[in-house]
Amino acid sequence: GESVGLHLPTLSVQEGDNSIINCAYSNSASDYFIWYKQESGKGPQFIIDIRSNMDKRQGQRVTVLLNKTVKHLSLQIAATQPGDSAVYFCAERGAKGYKLSFGAGTTVTVRA
Amino acid sequence: DGGITQSPKYLFRKEGQNVTLSCEQNLNHDAMYWYRQDPGQGLRLIYYSQIVNDFQKGDIAEGYSVSREKKESFPLTVTSAQKNPTAFYLCASTASGGMDEKLFFGSGTQLSVL
Repeated sequence: GESVGLHLPTLSVQEGDNSIINCAYSNSASDYFIWYKQESGKGPQFIIDIRSNMDKRQGQRVTVLLNKTVKHLSLQIAATQPGDSAVYFCAERGAKGYKLSFGAGTTVTVRA
Repeated sequence: DGGITQSPKYLFRKEGQNVTLSCEQNLNHDAMYWYRQDPGQGLRLIYYSQIVNDFQKGDIAEGYSVSREKKESFPLTVTSAQKNPTAFYLCASTASGGMDEKLFFGSGTQLSVL
């Protein structure tokens, strides 16, 4: 079955530093990956997605890297700000038409 | 503003009681979903509906029921058969029925048992 997880449940980052949030997945057939940000008491917000035919995609201050060889996904946040404090989830789709499977999330805390 | 509205934000259930969580969207999306979120765990799919008057069970449908009488609305009923209902419930939608699209989420309902 599909298994999506994040390497660390918590991450503390100094304001202004870059953050790297990691995610491992087990299904080599997964072809779509997505990152969400969830602030306390709110619903998840889309950050960025990537398809398996790519290994890197950039957004505003965020970059997602996909390493299919080791089944690893990461989210990089540049110049982390206090507003970046949240729980970050990765999700994968195992095969076309299958539902998204979510990891447990990494809580990012930004230190002033 | 277009979006997904969930109500109430907080809900309390007594033993043996059924409660209904509301989810309304004005995004004109075809597909709607209900997820359950427990502390320290990933989101788990309860039910989903790709078109009006049709819905399918997700991974943890037992103790829950849904209806999809209108495109804009997808209410979730937590029945007395759900023995551990305390959780954060999230409603989501996608533009079409494709499960590969990114989900748009509501702000959630926290359900607790009295």
